[in-house]
Amino acid sequence: AQSVTQLDSHVSVSEGTPVLLRCNYSSSYSPSLFWYVQHPNKGLQLLLKYTSAATLVKGINGFEAEFKKSETSFHLTKPSAHMSDAAEYFCVVSVTSGTYKYIFGTGTRLKVLA
Amino acid sequence: DTGVSQNPRHKITKRGQNVTFRCDPISEHNRLYWYRQTLGQGPEFLTYFQNEAQLEKSRLLSDRFSAERPKGSFSTLEIQRTEQGDSAMYLCASSFGDLSSYEQYFGPGTRLTVT
Repeated sequence: AQSVTQLDSHVSVSEGTPVLLRCNYSSSYSPSLFWYVQHPNKGLQLLLKYTSAATLVKGINGFEAEFKKSETSFHLTKPSAHMSDAAEYFCVVSVTSGTYKYIFGTGTRLKVLA
Repeated sequence: DTGVSQNPRHKITKRGQNVTFRCDPISEHNRLYWYRQTLGQGPEFLTYFQNEAQLEKSRLLSDRFSAERPKGSFSTLEIQRTEQGDSAMYLCASSFGDLSSYEQYFGPGTRLTVT
């Protein structure tokens, strides 16, 4: 069975400093992995996805993530945080057959300090 | 706007009442999902449609819950005899294709409060 674990429930960074949001996954098969962002009162927005192509994936708004099979990790990074990045971030694995439903992590709330 | 839409955005109801939510997916998407999100948690899968067929239901979906997708277009989620534990954000998502790599597009959600 697939699962994801987000290692930090809250992360605080200063504006202009790097962001690291950690995610570990469990999957018997080659997984499809996603990062979504949820701003208050807004819908979930896809940041980026990994689908067994390049292991370093670039997404929107300067975010990127690296798929590391040996570490079963898919951490999200950004070189320089912006105030507008403050939001809830979800790491997601898609089951590999049938419904292709999503399994979400519990989320990481990112706070950006001025 | 051609994204996923959900109505209503907010619903307050008294315990024991029935409620119905609607989801309009992106028009060419054949797959439609319902998820439930409670405070401080990630969304959890409830049910899935491929076209008009409901192909999977989560254990979370008790007998009080029913979902339909007539003609493979919009979908409705009905909760009968609501309970306070049903208070949550109900999210709808749609996608196209038959591969796990196809991302799901989410609507803004319907926030249900049961008093």
